[in-house]
Amino acid sequence: EVQLVQSGAEVKKPGESLRISCKGSGYSFTSYWISWVRQMPGKGLEWMGRIDPSDSYTNYSPSFQGHVTISADKSISTAYLQWSSLKASDTAMYYCARPPYWGQGTLVTVSS
Amino acid sequence: NFMLTQPHSVSESPGKTVTISCTRSSGSIASNYVQWYQQRPGSAPTTVIYEDNQRPSGVPDRFSGSIDSSSNSASLTISGLKTEDEADYYCQSYDSSLWVFGGGTKLTVL
Repeated sequence: EVQLVQSGAEVKKPGESLRISCKGSGYSFTSYWISWVRQMPGKGLEWMGRIDPSDSYTNYSPSFQGHVTISADKSISTAYLQWSSLKASDTAMYYCARPPYWGQGTLVTVSS
Repeated sequence: NFMLTQPHSVSESPGKTVTISCTRSSGSIASNYVQWYQQRPGSAPTTVIYEDNQRPSGVPDRFSGSIDSSSNSASLTISGLKTEDEADYYCQSYDSSLWVFGGGTKLTVL
Protein backbone atom coordinates (compact mmCIF):
# COMPACT_ATOMS: atom_id res chain seq x y z
CA GLU A 1 0.00 0.00 0.00
CA VAL A 2 1.35 3.38 -1.02
CA GLN A 3 1.53 5.84 1.85
CA LEU A 4 2.84 9.34 2.36
CA VAL A 5 3.22 10.03 6.07
CA GLN A 6 3.95 13.58 7.14
CA SER A 7 5.51 14.89 10.32
CA GLY A 8 3.39 16.35 13.09
CA ALA A 9 2.01 19.80 13.72
CA GLU A 10 4.45 22.59 14.52
CA VAL A 11 4.12 25.85 16.44
CA LYS A 12 6.90 28.31 15.80
CA LYS A 13 7.74 31.96 16.35
CA PRO A 14 8.42 34.45 13.55
CA GLY A 15 12.04 34.29 12.43
CA GLU A 16 12.53 30.66 13.45
CA SER A 17 13.53 27.95 11.01
CA LEU A 18 11.56 24.80 10.33
CA ARG A 19 11.77 21.60 8.32
CA ILE A 20 8.77 19.31 7.84
CA SER A 21 8.92 15.87 6.30
CA CYS A 22 7.01 13.44 4.11
CA LYS A 23 8.00 9.76 4.17
CA GLY A 24 6.97 7.58 1.26
CA SER A 25 6.43 3.85 1.51
CA GLY A 26 4.93 1.05 -0.54
CA TYR A 27 6.52 2.13 -3.82
CA SER A 28 9.87 2.96 -5.40
CA PHE A 29 10.54 6.36 -3.82
CA THR A 30 12.95 7.46 -6.55
CA SER A 31 10.49 6.75 -9.38
CA TYR A 32 7.99 9.52 -8.71
CA TRP A 33 8.18 13.26 -8.17
CA ILE A 34 6.80 14.58 -4.87
CA SER A 35 5.02 17.93 -4.75
CA TRP A 36 4.27 20.23 -1.83
CA VAL A 37 0.95 22.08 -1.60
CA ARG A 38 -0.05 24.90 0.74
CA GLN A 39 -3.53 25.57 2.06
CA MET A 40 -3.95 28.73 4.09
CA PRO A 41 -6.84 28.84 6.56
CA GLY A 42 -10.14 28.84 4.70
CA LYS A 43 -8.45 29.08 1.31
CA GLY A 44 -7.76 26.89 -1.71
CA LEU A 45 -4.83 24.72 -2.72
CA GLU A 46 -1.58 26.31 -3.92
CA TRP A 47 1.24 24.35 -5.52
CA MET A 48 4.62 25.25 -4.07
CA GLY A 49 7.04 23.05 -5.96
CA ARG A 50 8.25 19.51 -6.49
CA ILE A 51 11.30 17.33 -6.31
CA ASP A 52 12.59 14.34 -8.22
CA PRO A 53 13.93 12.16 -5.41
CA SER A 54 16.24 10.27 -7.76
CA ASP A 55 18.53 13.28 -8.23
CA SER A 56 16.95 16.01 -6.06
CA TYR A 57 16.11 18.16 -9.08
CA THR A 58 13.48 20.71 -8.12
CA ASN A 59 10.91 22.97 -9.73
CA TYR A 60 9.34 25.84 -7.76
CA SER A 61 6.27 27.95 -8.27
CA PRO A 62 7.39 31.55 -8.86
CA SER A 63 5.25 32.47 -5.84
CA PHE A 64 7.39 30.34 -3.53
CA GLN A 65 10.82 30.41 -5.19
CA GLY A 66 13.35 31.76 -2.71
CA HIS A 67 10.97 31.50 0.25
CA VAL A 68 11.16 27.73 0.85
CA THR A 69 13.53 24.90 0.05
CA ILE A 70 12.45 21.44 -1.06
CA SER A 71 14.85 18.57 -0.57
CA ALA A 72 14.87 14.79 -0.30
CA ASP A 73 16.90 11.98 1.24
CA LYS A 74 16.34 8.93 -0.93
CA SER A 75 18.16 6.69 1.55
CA ILE A 76 15.24 7.09 3.93
CA SER A 77 12.52 7.74 1.33
CA THR A 78 11.74 11.16 2.76
CA ALA A 79 11.06 14.54 1.20
CA TYR A 80 11.36 17.81 3.09
CA LEU A 81 10.00 21.34 3.00
CA GLN A 82 11.95 23.93 4.92
CA TRP A 83 11.97 27.58 5.87
CA SER A 84 14.94 29.55 7.14
CA SER A 85 12.92 32.38 8.64
CA LEU A 86 9.21 31.86 9.23
CA LYS A 87 6.60 34.59 9.00
CA ALA A 88 3.10 34.73 10.43
CA SER A 89 1.82 34.47 6.86
CA ASP A 90 3.38 30.97 6.63
CA THR A 91 0.63 29.70 8.94
CA ALA A 92 -1.09 27.03 6.89
CA MET A 93 -1.63 23.35 6.31
CA TYR A 94 1.04 21.81 4.10
CA TYR A 95 0.50 18.64 2.08
CA CYS A 96 2.88 16.44 0.16
CA ALA A 97 1.47 14.67 -2.87
CA ARG A 98 2.48 12.01 -5.32
CA PRO A 99 -0.69 11.73 -7.32
CA PRO A 100 -2.96 10.02 -6.91
CA TYR A 101 -1.65 9.80 -3.31
CA TRP A 102 -1.57 12.56 -0.71
CA GLY A 103 -0.08 12.91 2.74
CA GLN A 104 -2.28 13.66 5.70
CA GLY A 105 -1.01 17.21 6.04
CA THR A 106 1.17 19.12 8.51
CA LEU A 107 -0.26 22.16 10.25
CA VAL A 108 2.29 24.92 10.72
CA THR A 109 1.36 27.77 13.06
CA VAL A 110 3.63 30.80 13.26
CA SER A 111 2.78 33.16 16.09
CA SER A 112 4.61 35.37 18.50
CA ASN B 1 0.69 31.07 -17.97
CA PHE B 2 -2.97 30.22 -17.68
CA MET B 3 -5.68 30.07 -15.04
CA LEU B 4 -8.29 27.43 -14.27
CA THR B 5 -11.68 28.86 -13.36
CA GLN B 6 -14.28 26.91 -11.40
CA PRO B 7 -17.70 27.96 -10.12
CA HIS B 8 -17.48 29.00 -6.49
CA SER B 9 -20.30 26.71 -5.42
CA VAL B 10 -22.90 24.27 -6.70
CA SER B 11 -25.73 22.50 -4.94
CA GLU B 12 -27.93 19.56 -5.79
CA SER B 13 -30.20 17.04 -4.13
CA PRO B 14 -29.27 13.50 -3.15
CA GLY B 15 -29.65 11.03 -6.00
CA LYS B 16 -29.27 13.69 -8.67
CA THR B 17 -26.34 14.39 -11.01
CA VAL B 18 -24.07 17.42 -10.79
CA THR B 19 -21.34 18.65 -13.10
CA ILE B 20 -18.50 20.94 -12.02
CA SER B 21 -16.65 22.83 -14.75
CA CYS B 22 -13.02 23.93 -14.94
CA THR B 23 -12.25 26.38 -17.73
CA ARG B 24 -8.71 27.02 -18.96
CA SER B 25 -8.01 30.67 -19.73
CA SER B 26 -5.45 30.19 -22.52
CA GLY B 27 -3.95 27.29 -24.37
CA SER B 28 -5.78 24.10 -25.09
CA ILE B 29 -7.39 22.15 -22.26
CA ALA B 30 -6.41 19.02 -24.13
CA SER B 31 -2.70 19.78 -24.13
CA ASN B 32 -2.17 18.81 -20.47
CA TYR B 33 -3.86 16.25 -18.27
CA VAL B 34 -6.47 17.41 -15.75
CA GLN B 35 -6.87 15.97 -12.28
CA TRP B 36 -9.74 16.42 -9.82
CA TYR B 37 -9.34 16.36 -6.06
CA GLN B 38 -12.01 16.05 -3.38
CA GLN B 39 -11.46 17.65 0.01
CA ARG B 40 -13.96 16.99 2.76
CA PRO B 41 -14.01 19.42 5.71
CA GLY B 42 -11.03 18.90 7.99
CA SER B 43 -9.44 16.29 5.74
CA ALA B 44 -6.60 16.07 3.27
CA PRO B 45 -7.41 16.14 -0.44
CA THR B 46 -7.95 12.85 -2.23
CA THR B 47 -7.78 12.18 -5.95
CA VAL B 48 -11.07 11.29 -7.61
CA ILE B 49 -9.99 11.67 -11.27
CA TYR B 50 -6.52 11.71 -12.85
CA GLU B 51 -5.36 12.05 -16.46
CA ASP B 52 -8.66 13.64 -17.53
CA ASN B 53 -10.92 10.65 -16.96
CA GLN B 54 -9.19 7.91 -14.98
CA ARG B 55 -10.46 6.83 -11.57
CA PRO B 56 -8.07 5.66 -8.88
CA SER B 57 -8.93 2.34 -7.34
CA GLY B 58 -11.56 2.73 -4.68
CA VAL B 59 -13.26 5.74 -6.27
CA PRO B 60 -16.84 4.79 -7.24
CA ASP B 61 -17.87 4.93 -10.88
CA ARG B 62 -20.38 7.63 -9.94
CA PHE B 63 -17.41 9.97 -10.50
CA SER B 64 -16.39 10.68 -14.07
CA GLY B 65 -14.18 13.23 -15.82
CA SER B 66 -14.20 14.63 -19.32
CA ILE B 67 -12.63 17.24 -21.56
CA ASP B 68 -14.48 19.56 -23.97
CA SER B 69 -12.23 21.33 -26.44
CA SER B 70 -15.07 23.50 -27.76
CA SER B 71 -15.46 25.20 -24.38
CA ASN B 72 -11.82 24.65 -23.43
CA SER B 73 -12.93 23.13 -20.19
CA ALA B 74 -12.79 19.99 -18.11
CA SER B 75 -15.73 18.65 -16.18
CA LEU B 76 -16.26 16.46 -13.16
CA THR B 77 -19.62 14.72 -13.11
CA ILE B 78 -20.98 13.02 -10.01
CA SER B 79 -24.09 10.92 -10.47
CA GLY B 80 -26.36 9.45 -7.81
CA LEU B 81 -25.29 12.13 -5.35
CA LYS B 82 -24.81 11.11 -1.73
CA THR B 83 -24.51 13.35 1.29
CA GLU B 84 -20.93 12.08 1.70
CA ASP B 85 -20.05 13.77 -1.63
CA GLU B 86 -20.44 17.16 0.03
CA ALA B 87 -16.94 18.62 -0.19
CA ASP B 88 -14.69 21.07 -1.98
CA TYR B 89 -13.51 19.95 -5.41
CA TYR B 90 -10.38 21.27 -7.13
CA CYS B 91 -9.23 20.80 -10.69
CA GLN B 92 -5.51 20.82 -11.46
CA SER B 93 -3.47 20.81 -14.64
CA TYR B 94 0.09 21.53 -15.75
CA ASP B 95 1.87 24.57 -17.15
CA SER B 96 5.13 23.04 -18.36
CA SER B 97 6.54 21.53 -15.15
CA LEU B 98 4.33 23.56 -12.84
CA TRP B 99 0.98 22.63 -11.34
CA VAL B 100 -1.98 24.98 -11.72
CA PHE B 101 -5.01 24.64 -9.44
CA GLY B 102 -8.50 25.93 -9.95
CA GLY B 103 -9.95 27.98 -7.14
CA GLY B 104 -12.17 25.17 -5.92
CA THR B 105 -15.91 24.49 -5.95
CA LYS B 106 -17.95 23.87 -2.83
CA LEU B 107 -20.50 21.14 -3.50
CA THR B 108 -23.50 21.15 -1.22
CA VAL B 109 -25.78 18.10 -1.24
CA LEU B 110 -29.09 19.05 0.28
